[in-house]
Parts: sequence; C-alpha cells; structure tokens
Amino acid sequence: NAGVMQNPRHLVRRRGQEARLRCSPMKGHSHVYWYRQLPEEGLKFMVYLQKENIIDESGMPKERFSAEFPKEGPSILRIQQVVRGDSAAYFCASSPGQVANTEAFFGQGTRLTVV
Amino acid sequence: AQSVSQHNHHVILSEAASLELGCNYSYGGTVNLFWYVQYPGQHLQLLLKYFSGDPLVKGIKGFEAEFIKSKFSFNLRKPSVQWSDTAEYFCAVFSGGYNKLIFGAGTRLAVHP
Repeated sequence: NAGVMQNPRHLVRRRGQEARLRCSPMKGHSHVYWYRQLPEEGLKFMVYLQKENIIDESGMPKERFSAEFPKEGPSILRIQQVVRGDSAAYFCASSPGQVANTEAFFGQGTRLTVV
Repeated sequence: AQSVSQHNHHVILSEAASLELGCNYSYGGTVNLFWYVQYPGQHLQLLLKYFSGDPLVKGIKGFEAEFIKSKFSFNLRKPSVQWSDTAEYFCAVFSGGYNKLIFGAGTRLAVHP
C-alpha cells in the first residue's frame, strides 16, 4: 500500500511563474490536507479538501493560491505568479475519514524554491 | 484562536539522557492529540496519539506522552535517547470545532553520541 505521494519533490520557479504541486492520497483516503512549512516554523494549515469539495480553506492566502481535489486524479495546489516568499516546503496529508477518528498520513513534501 | 505551543525550539542531549518535550494547547473542548517526528529529509511520521482513555500513551521507538487535561498539556518523554532520535518533533492538536490539525512550531532534537 503506497503512502501519500507528492510530486515533484523539488520545484524551482522564477518569480511570476506558476507552480503546481500534486498529491496522491493513500488508497481509500478521501480527505486531503495541505500544509506549508517555512524555515524555523512549524506546519501551517492551508486547506482541507474532500473529493470535489473544499471543506476549509481558512489558511490559504486570498490571492494567487488555489487547491482542488477532483473526483479522479490527485489533489493539486496551484500557486500563480510565485514570489520569493512562497519558497517553502509544502506537505500533503491524507486520512480515510475525519482526523478526529483516525490519523493523517503525510507525504514527503514538495520543496518549492522561487528564484 | 486555537494554538499549540512547544516551549523548547532546540534541545541538545547526550545519548542515554532522558528527554521531555513540552506541548501545551489553548483549546478547551474535546481534543485529539498527536506527536509527529520528522527525520532529516523525510516526511512526518506519527509517534503516538491520544483520543481517549488512559492519559499515558505509549508510542513507537520507546516514546510515551501524558495527557494532563487540567494543564492543557501533552508532553513527550523518552527515558533514554539514542543518536538515531535526532530529528524534529511536532505536537499537533485536532479539535472538531476547527476541523483540522494544528501544529506547534516544532522542537529540533540533536543527540550526541
């Protein structure tokens, strides 16, 4: 049973370009969470999705960031017109149900570097 | 707003020393509590979790944590650390009212042989 798969592992973008980060949850998991980790900081919640629905996006910046989790395929975190401050590690986690009753499994992250 | 505080940002220990990492949270309702570990260059892995029942929880690799409701704390302990425990440790809290895991800032542990 493969774990949570994130790709790419490393992504370099120039300022103004778009970044697309992919997350394939574990088999049977329909809940996906995205977190951002900045140097010397903890993981900051960004968005919580279930299939085809955004449940909680209270941690998402209001501009340039969007997320989706389509019926088929991976969850995508999209950052438009990237800036240097977007450089961070982005982690995806999945769970079979609400984390209240189970646990979240994390991917290895995508390290985004904006040059 | 709900928050999680980890008091020690960096801890340095010698092998065989005892470890205690503090974690306090601010939410007063029913919570689920977790400790995750992140080894260098790797993803987060679950060390242990508390949902209900015995407040002393045993996890993998000899770690344990104690939930003290009156102190809003969930401290992580290990009686004797090893060099391989060098990693970053994150405390996390889930409360139904907020619908997500909230993480502390993490504690970097360095164990010297």
